[in-house]
Amino acid sequence: EVQLVESGGGLVKPGGSLRLSCAASGFTFSSYSMNWVRQAPGKGLEWVSSMSSSDSNIYYADSVKGRFTISRDNAKNSLYLQMNSLRAEDTAVYYCARDLFQGVGDYWGQGTLVTVSS
Amino acid sequence: EIVLTQSPATLSLSPGERATLSCRASQSVSSFLAWYQQKPGQAPRLLIYDASNRATGIPARFSGSGSGTDFTLTISSLEPEDFAVYYCQQRSNWPFTFGGGTKVEIK
Repeated sequence: EVQLVESGGGLVKPGGSLRLSCAASGFTFSSYSMNWVRQAPGKGLEWVSSMSSSDSNIYYADSVKGRFTISRDNAKNSLYLQMNSLRAEDTAVYYCARDLFQGVGDYWGQGTLVTVSS
Repeated sequence: EIVLTQSPATLSLSPGERATLSCRASQSVSSFLAWYQQKPGQAPRLLIYDASNRATGIPARFSGSGSGTDFTLTISSLEPEDFAVYYCQQRSNWPFTFGGGTKVEIK
């Protein structure tokens, strides 16, 4: 069974940093591109970042470019999102999603809540 | 950035009725459009990818159609568990973008 479990969310002050993790199981992690998608409270979905299986293709939304860094450790079956210079508008539930094809998330984690507030 | 506009914002229907949801793109996305269902407190669930392909385990009452800029998700006969918010999403160009959602509520 495919499982994605996010962790690392919490309350952080503006300008602070957080590192999100996504632990994958039930599939060959190294063969799949992976993504982070977020959802602000009561709002719609925003595709934040994508990373190919081989690390060769990485994409960021303009809203996070230069502040967030996606990475993966295929030996640990894990995806990460390093978030720096956090802003109030980064407050959201962050989901990890596996790619069926590029840009099609077929399995999603339950999400981890990031709250940026003083 | 490709903007996706979903209509209507809210659809009030009864179980057993047919639901027709629309998604319009600001420029052609070919057939690179997906539909997701989201219930409160849950992650999105992939229903349809590349306009008309049902994802694994999705019931046949869900179908998708369209290409270019105009797309439709049809639920042929609403079941109680289908009342939720539905999002379209394009993967034609980065950044991948979502529509604002259509809430299907019980009338």
